[in-house]
Amino acid sequence: AQSVTQLGSHVSVSEGALVLLRCNYSSSVPPYLFWYVQYPNQGLQLLLKYTTGATLVKGINGFEAEFKKSETSFHLTKPSAHMSDAAEYFCAVSGGAAGNKLTFGGGTRVLVKP
Amino acid sequence: GAGVSQSPSNKVTEKGKDVELRCDPISGHTALYWYRQSLGQGLEFLIYFQGNSAPDKSGLPSDRFSAERTGGSVSTLTIQRTQQEDSAVYLCASSSNRGLANNSPLHFGNGTRLTVT
Repeated sequence: AQSVTQLGSHVSVSEGALVLLRCNYSSSVPPYLFWYVQYPNQGLQLLLKYTTGATLVKGINGFEAEFKKSETSFHLTKPSAHMSDAAEYFCAVSGGAAGNKLTFGGGTRVLVKP
Repeated sequence: GAGVSQSPSNKVTEKGKDVELRCDPISGHTALYWYRQSLGQGLEFLIYFQGNSAPDKSGLPSDRFSAERTGGSVSTLTIQRTQQEDSAVYLCASSSNRGLANNSPLHFGNGTRLTVT
């Protein structure tokens, strides 16, 4: 079975500082990888996704993620945090043995300090 | 255009009662998913519908949980004899994916917050 691990359930960053959220997956075949964001009292929305091709993927709101097959990782970054980035972020994987099922990590809640 | 719509947005019920949660997916989306989001538990897969294929029910936690999707569109998640541990936010999502593996993003509704007292 596929699994997704997000290191750190809570991350605190200062406004303007780098945001780095870690995601590692286990899969016997290259999966499809996603990052979703959930703002307070809202549903999840897609930040970015990796399917094939370029391993550095750019998403909305200045976020990007890099697929590293050798490290089975898909870490999310943003060079400069904004107060509006305060939210919960979920890494997810599909494909491979899990087929159409999208498996989520436990989520990382980001707090941005002024 | 309209997104995924879920109703009700909040539901409070007494232990032992049955509840029905409704999901209206985006028009034309063939794939529909139910997830449960609990404090400290992340997002838990419940069930997946794809077109006319038999649903993937592998995530349903017990036989008190069931779901159906009528006419390939609206879906209803039913929880019978609710328990306090069923309290959570139930999220529905739809996707346009038709392939063997889901590389199309999911579009989520805002969820139904269920509280069992």
